[in-house]
Parts: sequence; C-alpha cells; structure tokens
Amino acid sequence: GESVGLHLPTLSVQEGDNSIINCAYSNSASDYFIWYKQESGKGPQFIIDIRSNMDKRQGQRVTVLLNKTVKHLSLQIAATQPGDSAVYFCAEKVRGGSEKLVFGKGMKLTVNP
Amino acid sequence: DAGITQSPRHKVTETGTPVTLRCHQTENHRYMYWYRQDPGHGLRLIHYSYGVKDTDKGEVSDGYSVSRSKTEDFLLTLESATSSQTSVYFCAISESRSSGGTDTQYFGPGTRLTVL
Repeated sequence: GESVGLHLPTLSVQEGDNSIINCAYSNSASDYFIWYKQESGKGPQFIIDIRSNMDKRQGQRVTVLLNKTVKHLSLQIAATQPGDSAVYFCAEKVRGGSEKLVFGKGMKLTVNP
Repeated sequence: DAGITQSPRHKVTETGTPVTLRCHQTENHRYMYWYRQDPGHGLRLIHYSYGVKDTDKGEVSDGYSVSRSKTEDFLLTLESATSSQTSVYFCAISESRSSGGTDTQYFGPGTRLTVL
C-alpha cells in the first residue's frame, strides 16, 4: 500500500492552496494524455484526459494544460483538500500505435491540514 | 473501479509454486492489460490482450503467461513463482476510440503477491 509512494518526488501543500503537478513527455507523436490518482492500497483512478487538439481541459476542481511545443503536461488542483493526498501520474498514447499507454513515474502529493 | 474485479486480492506463496491471478470485467471492453507496480519503477506492462485468444507481450513478460478464453476474463499465470515476482499486480481495461470508447485505461483494485 505505502510502497507506491516510495522513491517519488514529493509536493507538500497546505489545505486550501492550489497544487500544480507537472509531467514531461518524450514522444511528439503522442496524441492522448491521461492523469491518474492513486491512493495508498488502491488502483490508479482516472482523473481527467486531454487530446492533442486541445490546450486546456477543465473538470471539477482540476485543470489539465497541454503544451505541445515543449512536450509538457500539467495538472492543476484548485483548493487542495486532505483527500487529494495521493500519488499522481500521467500517461500518454502514441497516435497510430497500439492501445498501450506509456506511464510516468509519478509525484506524491501531501496535503497538510 | 469501472466494473473490474481481481482475485485474489492478497496471496502469499512459496518459490517454485504456480500462481494464477484473475481479472474479470463487466464492461465488455476489448482490451485488457496486466501490469506490475514496484517502488521506483512505476507501472510496467506484463502482457495485454486485444481480443479473445489474442494476446501480446509487454516490457516485462519473462516468467509470465496469460490466457483470455472469454471477453470478460484475463488470467495471469506465474508458472514457477520467484521472489523477484513479489509485487502488486493491476489489471486494466480499455476500449478504443475507433470502437466508440475513449482509449482510457481503467484499473482494477490490485493483487498483492508475496513470494517467499
């Protein structure tokens, strides 16, 4: 359960602050991107996705930004809550490739009350 | 968990014994995947399936085999378990955009396997 967060970079924020988690991807042919949240002892949970024909997509308290020029993806969480504490990682899918995803290693978000 | 169950959820076994993990989905998705997750490595693909009886290897397939005789079930077998296969195993499912899905992979709750 706890081992998923080992060896990962950590971001610590105060409750109520906004959080930004970044992800760099390497394949310019990737055309679909997903953010996942993984809580201790659970499977990865889909948060939000974005296709390469978009720069920004918003969900409930979350926003994903895509910068194709520098191959960078970010997840913004507004008004971070203790329940947001988890490991977050991005995934990318290559256009025209198989249905496989390439996963980033993730970042551990800790929200302090 | 998007209609995905994994069994067993926890298993302790001894080196050299065979182990089979089961993934069951109720979503009728075409694609199914087996991953392992270890500290410092993230999610690594073991095998995946693109239809009944259609499977292919992932990046860490040595020591593992899979079978898919029905759309809803994807089995992962360790023929002779080793301590290096101690890990958390996740199953995932997806449906391609061309088939009306979104390409998103949805994950099961995981199986924690310990090989002594």
